[in-house]
Amino acid sequence: KQEVTQIPAALSVPEGENLVLNCSFTDSAIYNLQWFRQDPGKGLTSLLLIQSSQREQTSGRLNASLDKSSGRSTLYIAASQPGDSATYLCAVRGLGKLIFGQGTELSVKP
Amino acid sequence: DVKVTQSSRYLVKRTGEKVFLECVQDMDHENMFWYRQDPGLGLRLIYFSYDVKMKEKGDIPEGYSVSREKKERFSLILESASTNQTSMYLCASSLGASRSYEQYFGPGTRLTVT
Repeated sequence: KQEVTQIPAALSVPEGENLVLNCSFTDSAIYNLQWFRQDPGKGLTSLLLIQSSQREQTSGRLNASLDKSSGRSTLYIAASQPGDSATYLCAVRGLGKLIFGQGTELSVKP
Repeated sequence: DVKVTQSSRYLVKRTGEKVFLECVQDMDHENMFWYRQDPGLGLRLIYFSYDVKMKEKGDIPEGYSVSREKKERFSLILESASTNQTSMYLCASSLGASRSYEQYFGPGTRLTVT
């Protein structure tokens, strides 16, 4: 059974810092991995989708990597801003459905 | 841009009421999903649909039913609302049958059952 883990559960950094969020999964048989952002009380916004054949995807200050063999993905955020404060969720798509991690709550202090 | 809309942002219902949550997507997506999100439990799939009038149970279908009469609309029905169904409900859609497609989410409905 696929399990997705995100560590740490919460992270607080000063503005301007580069940071890395981690996501690990137990079954490497995945079709893709998706990173989402969720603001308090709101829905999920898709940030990046990495197909199983890809190693990384970039969008602006965000870069996501995927290492299927080790069951890991990272989301790199460059030059963090207070507006980046949110919960970040990763989800893997396997044979069945999308399996979500519990998320990392990020706080960027001015 | 894909747009997924949900009929209500906040909803308060009484125990035993029949509750309808509506979701509409405007990008001709074939697949639609209903999740609930609870603290400490994360997102859990309730039901999904891969075509009009087709539905499949997710992880926690008990106490829920769904309806998909038109491609763009997917409804979640609580036949007799209970307090343990107080939650954030999220609808999502994706294009086609391929598992490679991205899922897009709506803004969520915060349901409180009293």
